[in-house]
Amino acid sequence: QKEVEQDPGPLSVPEGAIVSLNCTYSNSAFQYFMWYRQYSRKGPELLMYTYSSGNKEDGRFTAQVDKSSKYISLFIRDSQPSDSATYLCAMSDNTDKLIFGTGTRLQVFP
Amino acid sequence: DAGVIQSPRHEVTEMGQEVTLRCKPISGHNSLFWYRQTMMRGLELLIYFNNNVPIDDSGMPEDRFSAKMPNASFSTLKIQPSEPRDSAVYFCASRRGTSAVIQYFGAGTRLSVL
Repeated sequence: QKEVEQDPGPLSVPEGAIVSLNCTYSNSAFQYFMWYRQYSRKGPELLMYTYSSGNKEDGRFTAQVDKSSKYISLFIRDSQPSDSATYLCAMSDNTDKLIFGTGTRLQVFP
Repeated sequence: DAGVIQSPRHEVTEMGQEVTLRCKPISGHNSLFWYRQTMMRGLELLIYFNNNVPIDDSGMPEDRFSAKMPNASFSTLKIQPSEPRDSAVYFCASRRGTSAVIQYFGAGTRLSVL
């Protein structure tokens, strides 16, 4: 079993839809949770960062962490074609390493 | 500020040849990471450096892979000899401080070994 599991998709939604992206993990020591966005043929870029449990909102994006269920989510409201990308979750347990999910490919069509 | 700079962006080589990938981290960043990304395995950490010193190379797949960081502004990842299964996108990332969590990625080098 991988430490971090992420549905690879692809997920295809119409413009304006609410998108939910999720990751599950097995290591209860993880405390730092991140979402990276990766456009085609580009490097990952940090989108959201959360420490421990709870919610964090930034514009149309909301990140949620449920440590009791070992489950994290990223919600995108009013999705736009420019949101089409691969979304990678990443986690850390206070060490130097980030453990990444394999990514979910999202396509938002007009 | 310029981001993490990787070169070349694309590399096509024949099996058995030596390949050298290069990375310039963000100025002032203390840690540097090398990752490999494939469809099957996603993003995998190969090796990372803190203050130019290799800390963990447990992700390096074989002795054919080696990495160096001779100074704070330059690192190389070398594959010798290369094999078709090494074909992947290789990313370099850096971070400010040796305990910071957030990493900043370069655009990657797409390697094809024929």
